[in-house]
Amino acid sequence: KAGVTQTPRYLIKTRGQQVTLSCSPISGHRSVSWYQQTPGQGLQFLFEYFSETQRNKGNFPGRFSGRQFSNSRSEMNVSTLELGDSALYLCASRADRVSDTQYFGPGTRLTVL
Amino acid sequence: AQTVTQSQPEMSVQEAETVTLSCTYDTSESDYYLFWYKQPPSRQMILVIRQEAYKQQNATENRFSVNFQKAAKSFSLKISDSQLGDAAMYFCAYSGAGSYQLTFGKGTKLSVIP
Repeated sequence: KAGVTQTPRYLIKTRGQQVTLSCSPISGHRSVSWYQQTPGQGLQFLFEYFSETQRNKGNFPGRFSGRQFSNSRSEMNVSTLELGDSALYLCASRADRVSDTQYFGPGTRLTVL
Repeated sequence: AQTVTQSQPEMSVQEAETVTLSCTYDTSESDYYLFWYKQPPSRQMILVIRQEAYKQQNATENRFSVNFQKAAKSFSLKISDSQLGDAAMYFCAYSGAGSYQLTFGKGTKLSVIP
């Protein structure tokens, strides 16, 4: 099976712009979670989608949003970018149950100038 | 809220030797899952090993094994016969049985000396 894929791998944006990141889960996986990784804050949970519904959300401002499509692919959007949004954004997919392991994609490196 | 603590920011090990990475966690839940993930310089997060809290037996996966002490809330990772390819950041992570998110520690950077 193909692993989790994320596009694009690298992005450079300027403050105030918005950005959309994409994640395709492992075939058959219905849950997609997003994490932000920064040197200062480490890995932080953003949100999780299952069957096109957001099931859980981390402590991030409303500028961070996401959605999931019927084929389980997910997108996350960050509006009005700030310098502090520069990070590695990781997507993880899981089959179905909470007990299932999350498998991660290679990440999207976002740089905000 | 659950917290995960990795007290060793950096460690090093000689090739072919054994190293143990420490992890402690805090939770009031009785049912949960613990993980060790490896993140090499490529940044791809790779699952190393997982442990279900209800299982007494420590998980093993080839050269990787854990020492799970539920009462002490400790979950250490032992890497035997260390190889150059083991050099990476290692993250300990927690997931509650009713949770959909992983809570990560700050990570331990492991260097392998040839």
